[in-house]
Amino acid sequence: DVKVTQSSRYLVKRTGEKVFLECVQDMDHENMFWYRQDPGLGLRLIYFSYDVKMKEKGDIPEGYSVSREKKERFSLILESASTNQTSMYLCASCPATGGHEQYFGPGTRLTVT
Amino acid sequence: KNQVEQSPQSLIILEGKNCTLQCNYTVSPFSNLRWYKQDTGRGPVSLTIMTFSENTKSNGRYTATLDADTKQSSLHITASQLSDSASYICVVSHLSNDYKLSFGAGTTVTVRA
Repeated sequence: DVKVTQSSRYLVKRTGEKVFLECVQDMDHENMFWYRQDPGLGLRLIYFSYDVKMKEKGDIPEGYSVSREKKERFSLILESASTNQTSMYLCASCPATGGHEQYFGPGTRLTVT
Repeated sequence: KNQVEQSPQSLIILEGKNCTLQCNYTVSPFSNLRWYKQDTGRGPVSLTIMTFSENTKSNGRYTATLDADTKQSSLHITASQLSDSASYICVVSHLSNDYKLSFGAGTTVTVRA
């Protein structure tokens, strides 16, 4: 079974703090993704990575950066957290060949106060 | 404007009853359409996938239909169970880029005993 894990289920941070969200997958997938999920909106892509050290901006990259130093690990970084970044963050992964299902982690609910 | 619209936003049904969820999309051309189930506090899990040429796909008590001409899909749940209580998300992938997904906001289904 594919397993995608995220470092925290719940996180509370203060405005201005630097926040790291970690995601690890155990299926040797080339592609990894970070989404945010807000009520009434569909999942929105923040960044994705198709290889180690490679990344591309998604639809809403502002205020975020990412790091992929190893194939199995993809980190999302909030350089200076703001209250409008309070959200559910979901990581996903899939193989490089097209048409594959994206496998999601359980999510991290981040609250910025 | 979201390219994937779902209705209703939420619904409540009694255990054992059937229900149908709707998805309208404008993504064109598209590669495939998936329905995901997201339990509370968990990441989405794929239920069904259909390509342009398919018009129905079943997974146990879940049956998805697709009308590519009218750009509509539905998910039918038969003989609902308490464990069907979840959010159901319609996801369309773009033909030009398999990794670019458009997500609906989801329909929250609550099954009551």
